[in-house]
Amino acid sequence: DQQVKQNSPSLSVQEGRISILNCDYTNSMFDYFLWYKKYPAEGPTFLISISSIKDKNEDGRFTVFLNKSAKHLSLHIVPSQPGDSAVYFCAASALGNQFYFGTGTSLTVIP
Amino acid sequence: DAGITQSPRHKVTETGTPVTLRCHQTENHRYMYWYRQDPGHGLRLIHYSYGVKDTDKGEVSDGYSVSRSKTEDFLLTLESATSSQTSVYFCAISGSNRRHTEAFFGQGTRLTVV
Repeated sequence: DQQVKQNSPSLSVQEGRISILNCDYTNSMFDYFLWYKKYPAEGPTFLISISSIKDKNEDGRFTVFLNKSAKHLSLHIVPSQPGDSAVYFCAASALGNQFYFGTGTSLTVIP
Repeated sequence: DAGITQSPRHKVTETGTPVTLRCHQTENHRYMYWYRQDPGHGLRLIHYSYGVKDTDKGEVSDGYSVSRSKTEDFLLTLESATSSQTSVYFCAISGSNRRHTEAFFGQGTRLTVV
């Protein structure tokens, strides 16, 4: 049973606008959440993370929001750039020794 | 780039043959993982290791075995490859000095079982 879910397989956004990628989880023991970006024929690369003691973490154009009561997190990219076009994976861990991934959302930023 | 090397990068093998994929790290990280990526399934954990000779099963471990005889090497073996094991395999590593740490991934191995 999928413990981390990304219900939108794909998303298209105009360059300069905001991209919002969503992720839901079911395991209340998860205490660390991560976003990864993946280009074709490459391994996933770490993008940004958030601990369960926070509700927001920001790094440049990327912001992750965590709503623990709803078991929901989202990644905001603003402004979106064509180079952001990739597959984004949400991941979660409990105690830091296993990572559970969602199915991914393919983001296309249209110039 | 984190020092992770996967070999081979591509492999085509026949059904029923054994296959071993290798992951080598130069980061001295304690944890090592093998994931497979399939359309509609994202990244699923096959096996992981938390130290030399210490391994455990992940979500999709059937048909796979692993070994870790040195900190830097984590091997994934398909004892008798099947077409359902055609996939892209990723190795990942993470440290254990902090409670919250990210995993770093290798470039992947594309395996085709015919």
